[in-house]
Amino acid sequence: GQNIDQPTEMTATEGAIVQINCTYQTSGFNGLFWYQQHAGEAPTFLSYNVLDGLEEKGRFSSFLSRSKGYSYLLLKELQMKDSASYLCAPVDSNYQLIWGAGTKLIIKP
Amino acid sequence: DAMVIQNPRYQVTQFGKPVTLSCSQTLNHNVMYWYQQKSSQAPKLLFHYYDKDFNNEADTPDNFQSRRPNTSFCFLDIRSPGLGDAAMYLCATSGDGTYNSPLHFGNGTRLTVT
Repeated sequence: GQNIDQPTEMTATEGAIVQINCTYQTSGFNGLFWYQQHAGEAPTFLSYNVLDGLEEKGRFSSFLSRSKGYSYLLLKELQMKDSASYLCAPVDSNYQLIWGAGTKLIIKP
Repeated sequence: DAMVIQNPRYQVTQFGKPVTLSCSQTLNHNVMYWYQQKSSQAPKLLFHYYDKDFNNEADTPDNFQSRRPNTSFCFLDIRSPGLGDAAMYLCATSGDGTYNSPLHFGNGTRLTVT
């Protein structure tokens, strides 16, 4: 079966760094997306990785290891507005997005 | 700004009373998706259109139907809503439907069934 594993909830402090991990098991692999979703709102695109390594985009970076079935999202210089859920979504061999339930990130002052 | 718009933002319907949710887009994207998302759960794909080509997910209940009369509009019809259908319904578009093309979501319609 296909499975996405992310922590349910994480807490971090404003100004700090946090790493949100995602492990996945999918039938085939065609890249992995990260989306941000504020409470009661729709997901918004953050990043897409298809090759191993780290992709940096401002305060957010995303890492992928295909051999380990592992990705993480790194958020630096945390701001209160970063309080949201972060959804990991790999693409399987049928080019379908397989969504995780997301990690709820709580930022404290 | 080009965008995906869902109406209404909040919808209340009675058990068994048909309801229609709407989505429009000004992005001129070929692919449109409908997702159902319950609290603290992953979005669940109901169906998607590639242009007028309709694709139904195998586990989408028959109670859910969809129409796409033109490129810009897509509708989700719930013929007889049950209490279990209360959820956020998300419409999304994708430029060409390729696997590495990000989805653009509307703000969602939160459906309450009384």
